[in-house]
Amino acid sequence: AQSVTQLDSHVSVSEGTPVLLRCNYSSSYSPSLFWYVQHPNKGLQLLLKYTSAATLVKGINGFEAEFKKSETSFHLTKPSAHMSDAAEYFCVVTSYSSASKIIFGSGTRLSIRP
Amino acid sequence: DTAVSQTPKYLVTQMGNDKSIKCEQNLGHDTMYWYKQDSKKFLKIMFSYNNKELIINETVPNRFSPKSPDKAHLNLHINSLELGDSAVYFCASSQDPGQMNTGELFFGEGSRLTVL
Repeated sequence: AQSVTQLDSHVSVSEGTPVLLRCNYSSSYSPSLFWYVQHPNKGLQLLLKYTSAATLVKGINGFEAEFKKSETSFHLTKPSAHMSDAAEYFCVVTSYSSASKIIFGSGTRLSIRP
Repeated sequence: DTAVSQTPKYLVTQMGNDKSIKCEQNLGHDTMYWYKQDSKKFLKIMFSYNNKELIINETVPNRFSPKSPDKAHLNLHINSLELGDSAVYFCASSQDPGQMNTGELFFGEGSRLTVL
């Protein structure tokens, strides 16, 4: 069985400070993990993905995430937040062996304070 | 040159009506999906088609019926609309062969359905 937990429903940071959005997963098999971003009134866009290559994955807009198997985590980080980063972020897990299962986390709303 | 396009973007209708949402992708993908996003932003998969064949049919009322005339189109028809159907419906596509779902999903911009 697979599951994904986003530990914070809302994160607020000041512009220019680091961002950390937390995601833990559960998977019986080798997972693929993704982060998607959804800006207001828009569809979801892929930020980055992990598919069993390098454990540190770099994405668009300066975001990166590190796959830590021992901690079953895939936290999303960015060194310096920008106002345009304000959005909803979704962590997603899939598995090679789980037919047709794409599991979305419940989302984390990121707010940026000026 | 929109990759995944949905119409209409906004839909306001009365309870009991029947409505359709259309989706088209020009990415050449084999697999298409419908997701429902509720007011708390929770995303739930409803249906998935691979090459016009239904491969995912989650626990969704029979009032919802997907139709895929070809692999570039996946439409969603909803009968006898209820208040609880109010949500944003997202269409998506992927290149995966349907059974593995390890690739990237490309989303449309959503169709906001309001049932009064």
